[in-house]
Amino acid sequence: DTGVSQDPRHKITKRGQNVTFRCDPISEHNRLYWYRQTLGQGPEFLTYFQNEAQLEKSRLLSDRFSAERPKGSFSTLEIQRTEQGDSAMYLCASSQRGGAENTEAFFGQGTRLTVV
Amino acid sequence: AQTVTQSQPEMSVQEAETVTLSCTYDTSESDYYLFWYKQPPSRQMILVIRQEAYKQQNATENRFSVNFQKAAKSFSLKISDSQLGDAAMYFCAYRSYGYGQNFVFGPGTRLSVLP
Repeated sequence: DTGVSQDPRHKITKRGQNVTFRCDPISEHNRLYWYRQTLGQGPEFLTYFQNEAQLEKSRLLSDRFSAERPKGSFSTLEIQRTEQGDSAMYLCASSQRGGAENTEAFFGQGTRLTVV
Repeated sequence: AQTVTQSQPEMSVQEAETVTLSCTYDTSESDYYLFWYKQPPSRQMILVIRQEAYKQQNATENRFSVNFQKAAKSFSLKISDSQLGDAAMYFCAYRSYGYGQNFVFGPGTRLSVLP
């Protein structure tokens, strides 16, 4: 297992277009998180899944954003009718349910979205 | 809601010297986890060190150690014998004790290591 994988690494899209990102977590991890990071800022929480269930969504996640995790494996994050303000790095992370030693999140390299 | 503050947007340290990065947080919870993550330029975020709030002993990982002051809600990171490869953004993060809680990150500190 090579860790958390995100695809694509970079995406340039025109304003108003829809985009979809994919995240493949570490295989034994049942928790999956999406974060958004703008330049010079810390990651902001968007949503998280435990297995296939989406358990929490941030108020940052407007109705143009939707995330899925079918079968509790990979996840997709879709942004509809993109706006320039959506330009950011979208980070995926996964973690394993368990004892105290399993509390950390492992991050992917992110998908950098540029809306022009 | 929990918040994490990092008051030093940028820090620099001479190679082989020691530097301390500051982090404070706000929470009403008594049990939680604290983390320091490192994000090198154009590379993914990796865990540097973790602290469980119920443990009084400060965590250490090789050249990295923390000073955890629970009453003061302070969680600083000390990097000893700084190396060029330590140059990165460092994020302090908080996570509730309950399973499945999301991570709350601070705004980060950019560390430069001078040769």
